[in-house]
Amino acid sequence: KNQVEQSPQSLIILEGKNCTLQCNYTVSPFSNLRWYKQDTGRGPVSLTIMTFSENTKSNGRYTATLDADTKQSSLHITASQLSDSASYICVVSSSGNTGKLIFGQGTTLQVKP
Amino acid sequence: ETGVTQTPRHLVMGMTNKKSLKCEQHLGHNAMYWYKQSAKKPLELMFVYNFKEQTENNSVPSRFSPECPNSSHLFLHLHTLQPEDSALYLCASSQDPSGGTYNEQFFGPGTRLTVL
Repeated sequence: KNQVEQSPQSLIILEGKNCTLQCNYTVSPFSNLRWYKQDTGRGPVSLTIMTFSENTKSNGRYTATLDADTKQSSLHITASQLSDSASYICVVSSSGNTGKLIFGQGTTLQVKP
Repeated sequence: ETGVTQTPRHLVMGMTNKKSLKCEQHLGHNAMYWYKQSAKKPLELMFVYNFKEQTENNSVPSRFSPECPNSSHLFLHLHTLQPEDSALYLCASSQDPSGGTYNEQFFGPGTRLTVL
């Protein structure tokens, strides 16, 4: 069964600190992996997208990594800001599918001053 | 803004009411989607439309009725809903319905629905 599991479920950090969110998936065949940021009361917004051949991609203070062998990804946030408080969703697309995206349940991050 | 708008942003309705959610995309995309997002659960795909034609119905109860009059507009008609249908309903659009790397889905802000 195609699944995407994220950890931790929630996380609280102090402003200025770094943090890493984890995503494990069992989707096959694999096409790409995306990280989305969803602010409270808003729709998800794409942060990064990686294919099988990419093992790291950055978007400002956000850096995503992908290990296609172990089927794991991480999202590292550097020098966190209060505006980073949001839900972060890992999404995997299967190339064997008509394009249905498989969503993780998200990690809720709270950055405190 | 993502180029996808949704109205209303909040909706409270009784179980016997009929209401509609509206989504409009200004991105020139051909595919549009409805998702349901419940607390602490992954997004659930409900319907997919490509060039106004429904290409996927994810076993959604008939009390949810989608309508896609053109590639830019998508509606979700609601009738005799249940309290467990309370959730955030998200609309999204993309160039086509494939999950390809360069085919990003853009989401609207969602409609927060409460069924009493």
